[in-house]
Amino acid sequence: QTVVTQEPSFSVSPGGTVTLTCGLSSGSVSANNYPSWYQQTPGQTPRTLIYNTNTRSSGVPDRFSGSILGNKAALTVTGAQADDESDYYCLLYLGSGIWVFGGGTKLTVL
Amino acid sequence: QVQLVESGGGVVQPGRSLRLSCAASGFTFSDYGMHWVRQAPGKGLEWMVILWYDGINKYYADSVKGRFTISRDNSKNTVYLEMNSLRVEDTAVYYCARGGSVTNPRAGFDKWGQGTMVTVSS
Repeated sequence: QTVVTQEPSFSVSPGGTVTLTCGLSSGSVSANNYPSWYQQTPGQTPRTLIYNTNTRSSGVPDRFSGSILGNKAALTVTGAQADDESDYYCLLYLGSGIWVFGGGTKLTVL
Repeated sequence: QVQLVESGGGVVQPGRSLRLSCAASGFTFSDYGMHWVRQAPGKGLEWMVILWYDGINKYYADSVKGRFTISRDNSKNTVYLEMNSLRVEDTAVYYCARGGSVTNPRAGFDKWGQGTMVTVSS
């Protein structure tokens, strides 16, 4: 069974840049996996940041960007702010109608 | 604007059934696939099921296959999740989410509902 992998946690300084990644336990991530990224603070509904690898959802600041880096999908946060401190989830399409979330990355801004 | 509103959650005993609804507005409902996603308390997001825009093709995660059924009524702009043989481990917040459109059906979700809580307990 294919697992979607994410860093469990990451830390960034205010104003800094951080890149979170999303991989596959077997194989490489490509645009054909239609990577998407979601932000969630505790007790809140998830918010879509990026879909279709690099399309920002409406209202999402351009500090957030998506890409494919090597064999993984990536979410880059530029100029990190205190309210970026959240859980970040990636979602990949594995084919045959099946999507799988990664386990999430807890981002700390300090 | 796009809105998704879930309803139907509550407390139910193990082995019983529950039907969730997700009412959509602000977009051409029949042009989009619709997903259900859940989140157990303190856990991550879990994708469960999609019903394509065509209303025909549906795909389930192994964890719910055979117990849960997705359907949609395009005349009511609503997608449903029928949940049978519920287990304690099905306790979670259940979200509906708008998926890809006719032109890009495999895109991820761009809109979410606010979620509805389902508690399975005796």
